[in-house]
Amino acid sequence: RKEVEQDPGPFNVPEGATVAFNCTYSNSASQSFFWYRQDCRKEPKLLMSVYSSGNEDGRFTAQLNRASQYISLLIRDSKLSDSATYLCVVNPGSGNTGKLIFGQGTTLQVKP
Amino acid sequence: DTGVSQDPRHKITKRGQNVTFRCDPISEHNRLYWYRQTLGQGPEFLTYFQNEAQLEKSRLLSDRFSAERPKGSFSTLEIQRTEQGDSAMYLCASSLLREQYFGPGTRLTVT
Repeated sequence: RKEVEQDPGPFNVPEGATVAFNCTYSNSASQSFFWYRQDCRKEPKLLMSVYSSGNEDGRFTAQLNRASQYISLLIRDSKLSDSATYLCVVNPGSGNTGKLIFGQGTTLQVKP
Repeated sequence: DTGVSQDPRHKITKRGQNVTFRCDPISEHNRLYWYRQTLGQGPEFLTYFQNEAQLEKSRLLSDRFSAERPKGSFSTLEIQRTEQGDSAMYLCASSLLREQYFGPGTRLTVT
């Protein structure tokens, strides 16, 4: 079983749609959670950290369910510029480990 | 630009040659990470430095791979006797707290 699992998609949605991505992680001791965005042949860019209480940044809302080991990202009012791959990312432990574990990514294509 | 920088951006090499990549982190960041990404996959962790100390290495980092961060600033990643399977994007990231910020990567092609 992969440590972080995402549906690779692609998700094809019209402009203005609401789309949700889900992710599960296997290590219950995981400490930190993030969503990154990656455009084709570019580096991953931090979209948002994910907090236990849930957090929102404009059109983007992230939720964490520690009991189910489940993370979600909701994008409202999709724009053409939201087309990208969205990576679910977990820091799996405590102490000095700084590594991030990435999911495979979910591809979003927003169409006019 | 005060982001993470990497050099070179592209490298084409013949199988068996050695290559070295450089990463300059964001200046106040004490943590530096190397990842490798192949097509269709998320980045995979290779190694991590806090200041000049290498604190963690992945099993992916075979004995042909070595990374250094001699003065706690820039870092180098060397691959000896390259193999075709080493072809990938090599990404460097840095952090001060939890969030890691990535450089543009070095795309390696081994022919």
